[in-house]
Amino acid sequence: GAVVSQHPSRVICKSGTSVKIECRSLDFQATTMFWYRQFPKQSLMLMATSNEGSKATYEQGVEKDKFLINHASLTLSTLTVTSAHPEDSSFYICSAREGTGAGEKLFFGSGTQLSVL
Amino acid sequence: DAKTTQPPSMDCAEGRAANLPCNHSTISGNEYVYWYRQIHSQGPQYIIHGLKNNETNEMASLIITEDRKSSTLILPHATLRDTAVYYCIVRVKNQGGKLIFGQGTELSVKP
Repeated sequence: GAVVSQHPSRVICKSGTSVKIECRSLDFQATTMFWYRQFPKQSLMLMATSNEGSKATYEQGVEKDKFLINHASLTLSTLTVTSAHPEDSSFYICSAREGTGAGEKLFFGSGTQLSVL
Repeated sequence: DAKTTQPPSMDCAEGRAANLPCNHSTISGNEYVYWYRQIHSQGPQYIIHGLKNNETNEMASLIITEDRKSSTLILPHATLRDTAVYYCIVRVKNQGGKLIFGQGTELSVKP
């Protein structure tokens, strides 16, 4: 199946710093990518939809100035957690859409565990 | 958005078939049923999806009832590596394919 690479897999940072997470589709072009976050023992929560060449669409309650999303190419989307605080510590997961219509599938990266001290 | 209901947990003996149910009684006519699974601390893995016909691939089979209000994911010969949280998701209509995850079923395959 299609491969989505997410980097880094784990990051520890100090409170107040910014952290960038990369999501790449390795063998297909993804005009749309999605960003999720997941707290321990909970399900994935959709944060935003990232569209190549346009502004991201954020889900209700997600601060767009806090979580900056850039989708500058058909194979790369980035999520920057700005001025991170301990409550931002979470598992962040990206996904990329391959295909359209009936054949559409979403493939997921392996996730980034963010720990803010 | 159509919502899904799944049992929070299930056990299955290794080598036996695992049958995971999902209710989606408010599904719309052009919404697909997707199944993903997530092994601890990893990203979700695509398993299978369908609209109204039963589907089978190398990982699993998907049985959708005729009224499309429920479905069952079947892992024919469960192994210990199939232990994971399984998510049944209805694709959001006209929303560009984004998937909204429910709570899923935690499947434990036991020796």
